[in-house]
Amino acid sequence: SQKIEQNSEALNIQEGKTATLTCNYTNYSPAYLQWYRQDPGRGPVFLLLIRENEKEKRKERLKVTFDTTLKQSLFHITASQPADSATYLCAFPNQAGTALIFGKGTTLSVSS
Amino acid sequence: GAGVSQSPSNKVTEKGKDVELRCDPISGHTALYWYRQRLGQGLEFLIYFQGNSAPDKSGLPSDRFSAERTGESVSTLTIQRTQQEDSAVYLCASRRGQKDSYEQYFGPGTRLTVT
Repeated sequence: SQKIEQNSEALNIQEGKTATLTCNYTNYSPAYLQWYRQDPGRGPVFLLLIRENEKEKRKERLKVTFDTTLKQSLFHITASQPADSATYLCAFPNQAGTALIFGKGTTLSVSS
Repeated sequence: GAGVSQSPSNKVTEKGKDVELRCDPISGHTALYWYRQRLGQGLEFLIYFQGNSAPDKSGLPSDRFSAERTGESVSTLTIQRTQQEDSAVYLCASRRGQKDSYEQYFGPGTRLTVT
């Protein structure tokens, strides 16, 4: 069955550094991947979508890469700030295209 | 504009009781999803509605779970004879439903606690 894994449950970094989060998937070749941010007590908020024919996507301090050979997506936050502290989820569509399959998320803590 | 809203925000119920959770999607969004998020876990797909098409119920964990949607508006998720393992946050999301529109907009969730 389709499986998605986010390597770290928690990542702690210092303000100003670049945070890199990893998402791996198996048994599937999704047409796209999405990244969401979730704050405690709230629903996820969409950040970025990257398609299988795109190597890289950027939005302000965020960058996402998609390597279909490695079956991996990397999510980078440059010049990280304490306000970036949250749980970040990667997701891809199920084969029927009717829903997203989510990873468990990586909780990022940025200390000042 | 208004986002996805869900009610109640919190629900505590006794084992064996039925509960009904409500979702108001963004106006004009034809696609609606229900997910469940257990503590420390990822989101688990439950059910998907798209316009007037038959819903995809493949994620519902048992026949105690059901959901309805009125046209392209409000949806209710009903859990009958609740069990302790049903305790979780239930999230609703909506999407425009147009081709190449994949972003899902989530509500704040309903935290269900079964005692």
